[in-house]
Amino acid sequence: EVQLVESGGGLVQPGGSLRLSCAASGFTFSSYWMHWVRQAPGKGLVWVSHINSDGSSTDYVDSVRGRFTISRDNAKNTLYLQMNSLRAEDTAVYYCTRDYDMDVWGQGTTVTVSS
Amino acid sequence: QSVLTQPPSASGTPGRRVTISCSGSSSNIGSNYVSWYQHLPGTAPKLLIYRNNQRPSGVPDRFSGSKSGTSASLAISGLRSEDEADYYCASWDDSLKVFGGGTKLTVL
Repeated sequence: EVQLVESGGGLVQPGGSLRLSCAASGFTFSSYWMHWVRQAPGKGLVWVSHINSDGSSTDYVDSVRGRFTISRDNAKNTLYLQMNSLRAEDTAVYYCTRDYDMDVWGQGTTVTVSS
Repeated sequence: QSVLTQPPSASGTPGRRVTISCSGSSSNIGSNYVSWYQHLPGTAPKLLIYRNNQRPSGVPDRFSGSKSGTSASLAISGLRSEDEADYYCASWDDSLKVFGGGTKLTVL
């Protein structure tokens, strides 16, 4: 079964850091671009970042560029999102998803930034 | 403010047909594929339509997508109570993925 499972969310103070993980199974992880997408409370889906299949190319939405870093370990079939200098507006459910068409999604992990 | 514009809400009665619109520009919908996602709060979003009008396996043919110029639409025919959810369109814009603001569909 093709599956993505996020972890690493939690409560963090403004200015703090968190690292999210997304464990992939059931497909050849190293062949796919991967993305992070988030949904703030009461808001819509927002694309956050993507990484190409070998990790050599990344991009970010303007609001997180310079604070978040996407990476992957193809040997471990795992996608990461390192989030630094967190702000209240980063509070959201974070989803990882696969490929150009975003055809497979995880259940999400919740990040709450609050003092 | 989302790059792609969707109506915030839509509604229909069981068995009827409802259409959700998605408006963009030449830099996104006008020059890239459109996809549609169904999202129930607390669950994983689900791909309904990709590459403007293609359905992944397992998605009923009650769901259909179309694109014309800088706009796209999702049609749901034979509306069912389980179709009540949030629907998002998405496309690419200068190598970045962009979503619409979402449309909450209510089945009356």
